[in-house]
Amino acid sequence: QSVLTQPPSVSGAPGQRVTISCTGSSSNIGAGYDVHWYQQLPGTAPKLLIYGNNNRPSGVPDRFSGSKSGTSASLAITGLQAEDEADYYCQSYDSSLSGYVVFGGGTKLAVL
Amino acid sequence: QVQLVESGGGLVKPGGSLTLSCAASGFTFSDYYMSWIRQAPGKGLEWLSYIRGSGGTVYYADSAKGRFTVSRDNAKNSLYLQMNSLRAEDTAVYYCARNRWDSSGYTYFDLWGRGTLVTVSS
Repeated sequence: QSVLTQPPSVSGAPGQRVTISCTGSSSNIGAGYDVHWYQQLPGTAPKLLIYGNNNRPSGVPDRFSGSKSGTSASLAITGLQAEDEADYYCQSYDSSLSGYVVFGGGTKLAVL
Repeated sequence: QVQLVESGGGLVKPGGSLTLSCAASGFTFSDYYMSWIRQAPGKGLEWLSYIRGSGGTVYYADSAKGRFTVSRDNAKNSLYLQMNSLRAEDTAVYYCARNRWDSSGYTYFDLWGRGTLVTVSS
């Protein structure tokens, strides 16, 4: 079980808005540590999508946005497109673990 | 262009050893901390280790401590992961990634290689 909990799957029709949640605890997201998001297209390496809760690297469309509140974070995708079908992972830091990096278990987004 | 390319994966017997390499190009390699992250088949991401740009300090996840050793050669723009006493559960795609730091001083990864598959099986 991952320290950060994500729904295994979400789906949406083209053009719709979907959100992917990332639920943590008081030792990670709730402690104020930033959340970062990665997109992994089928058969490829992960790619940084959102860093520092709500910042997009150059080249990432503004259809993707991130937010954080309390012990949870969310990734929102608006104007859903077929090429958004991928696995999405959240990542943060956890102060209770000897590891320095924690990932969520990942969410598979299906575009119907 | 800016890229990371892993190599060295393959089939290894349980108890065996393997060393993975990651060749960096397009950026000043020594300026960056670098990480190894793995992904078992059909599973999520697991961070293993990161190493300072100078190579002086290495941090390991519990799952990597004692069996895995990370090093780098800045003259060759290369990162390495030496893996010993391999087990079936080490079967995974191994990625190298470049570390960046958020406003609070904690890390994330802004550049990933394509990965190299390690299969541990008899």
